[in-house]
Amino acid sequence: GENVEQHPSTLSVQEGDSAVIKCTYSDSASNYFPWYKQELGKRPQLIIDIRSNVGEKKDQRIAVTLNKTAKHFSLHITETQPEDSAVYFCAASSWGKLQFGAGTQVVVTP
Amino acid sequence: SAVISQKPSRDICQRGTSLTIQCQVDSQVTMMFWYRQQPGQSLTLIATANQGSEATYESGFVIDKFPISRPNLTFSTLTVSNMSPEDSSIYLCSVGGRGTTSTDTQYFGPGTRLTVL
Repeated sequence: GENVEQHPSTLSVQEGDSAVIKCTYSDSASNYFPWYKQELGKRPQLIIDIRSNVGEKKDQRIAVTLNKTAKHFSLHITETQPEDSAVYFCAASSWGKLQFGAGTQVVVTP
Repeated sequence: SAVISQKPSRDICQRGTSLTIQCQVDSQVTMMFWYRQQPGQSLTLIATANQGSEATYESGFVIDKFPISRPNLTFSTLTVSNMSPEDSSIYLCSVGGRGTTSTDTQYFGPGTRLTVL
């Protein structure tokens, strides 16, 4: 089955700097890659996603890139703000089922 | 997007008992899933709730322990049976495949925080 690895497990950034989280997947059949943000005590919220026929997608301060050949995808957050502090999960989907990475705790310090 | 609710939001239960968690969506959805999220951990898929047929369970999860119902396109239940402290976790339902969106996109309910003593 699918295996998703996510790095780093924790990331501390200064407000205004950029944050990058990287994930790799194992199943070449995976074709959909969402990113979720989970604040403490809250549900995971979909923040951006990308499909296998697209290499990059951007939404304001967040962007996701996908390298199908290398089987890795990344989340980029620019101009980080304190409200970006949360746990971020990547996931890979094949046949409608999501396999999640272990998560990255992002802390943005003022 | 769909409004997803879960009941109860939290519960404290005694070992050996069972708890049924409800997931309600305000619109018909194709796919409903149940996940477990242990404290400080990632999300693990328990099963896919299939409308009108038995749920499809992931490796490590069995129907006797986690029976699931899906009587229609807006509602599902997950029962955690014969609970032990190891079942203490957050249980989340998710929905997908609404309208013209892809069957892949999933949105999560608020979760049920279960503590087993």
